[in-house]
Amino acid sequence: DVKVTQSSRYLVKRTGEKVFLECVQDMDHENMFWYRQDPGLGLRLIYFSYDVKMKEKGDIPEGYSVSREKKERFSLILESASTNQTSMYLCASSFRGERRGYTFGSGTRLTVV
Amino acid sequence: AQRVTQPEKLLSVFKGAPVELKCNYSYSGSPELFWYVQYSRQRLQLLLRHISRESIKGFTADLNKGETSFHLKKPFAQEEDSAMYYCALSAGTDKLIFGTGTRLQVFP
Repeated sequence: DVKVTQSSRYLVKRTGEKVFLECVQDMDHENMFWYRQDPGLGLRLIYFSYDVKMKEKGDIPEGYSVSREKKERFSLILESASTNQTSMYLCASSFRGERRGYTFGSGTRLTVV
Repeated sequence: AQRVTQPEKLLSVFKGAPVELKCNYSYSGSPELFWYVQYSRQRLQLLLRHISRESIKGFTADLNKGETSFHLKKPFAQEEDSAMYYCALSAGTDKLIFGTGTRLQVFP
């Protein structure tokens, strides 16, 4: 019963390419989040969205943008991929104002060559 | 600024030994704290929340506001506890601030 689905488990892209990472949740959550996970750095928030078409920058938004046209889907866009964006990207979702924590996707490991 | 500190990158113990994974936070308000766990090749999942005061898989964590800590403890480690553990803080918003994680290795 997968509830947060990330479209790709592994991706390899070239420097300068535009990259789309997709995330879909089926729990009717208002909030959706994109984190990157790097060894020794933990999880760092890139962007989050608290409603359709609403977004807020996280701690490391540079080089990224997001799109949320429908409640269940949250896309992360790398406008021009660079090697320092090689990482594991995690999508998560939660209800607004509820403190039960997040539900995470299985992650997309992106390698930029 | 709000911050979560996990001072140990790696914690290695033998099966049956007690385990304590440290977590300290900085936040002047009323925090909500969580522990997440990621087993090998699995997604990150919630282990427990301080507000529920529950014990999951034998793990407990007590919020100590005086020491600003939320250490994760288990009296007798099992091999299946080997995983990456993250402490997370909700500082009055829906966003979680994560620590850098501690890898727990339990040897047989």
